Amino acid sequence: NAGVTQTPKFRILKIGQSMTLQCTQDMNHNYMYWYRQDPGMGLKLIYYSVGAGITDKGEVPNGYNVSRSTTEDFPLRLELAAPSQTSVYFCASTSTREGSNEQFFGPGTRLTVL
Amino acid sequence: AQSVTQLDSQVPVFEEAPVELRCNYSSSVSVYLFWYVQYPNQGLQLLLKYLSGSTLVESINGFEAEFNKSQTSFHLRKPSVHISDTAEYFCAVSSGGSNYKLTFGKGTLLTVNP
Repeated sequence: NAGVTQTPKFRILKIGQSMTLQCTQDMNHNYMYWYRQDPGMGLKLIYYSVGAGITDKGEVPNGYNVSRSTTEDFPLRLELAAPSQTSVYFCASTSTREGSNEQFFGPGTRLTVL
Repeated sequence: AQSVTQLDSQVPVFEEAPVELRCNYSSSVSVYLFWYVQYPNQGLQLLLKYLSGSTLVESINGFEAEFNKSQTSFHLRKPSVHISDTAEYFCAVSSGGSNYKLTFGKGTLLTVNP
């Protein structure tokens, strides 16, 4: 299993540009999450999904959108990039069938908005 | 609502010394507790978890944590650290429920010096 994969690893955007961060998991996990990590702030939940076709907002959803058309994929969309969105983004997944709550994380995407 | 407080943002220690990274949580319901480790420029990896049963949990690389319900703590300890333990450590709490969301602390940077 590759686990959770994210692309791209790095990206520089100009203010106002848009982009999609890709996330794929091959563990047949039903729950998926997007976090952002800022220095000294830990991880903040942006959006999550409990299954294909179902998404919900986390703690910091403004400026982002998500979709979940398949079990495997959970892309995160930035429509109008702002400097405040400069961060490291992590995708994670878990299987509620196992009951352990353990989340498996991808390697992250480092985004800079200039 | 649940929250996590990691009491130290940075902990410098010398190699082979013992270390304790402190974590306190607040939650109105039963919780699952986790410690994740993040090595430089990598994603988060699960170090250990408490779900139920024995309050002392151990990892494969010598770390242990004890769940203390009365003090709402889940401190991480290691009797003798190595240079390779240098990393950022995150404590997280989940109440399970319908979304299995994790709430993270702000992290503790452990630096092991020779």
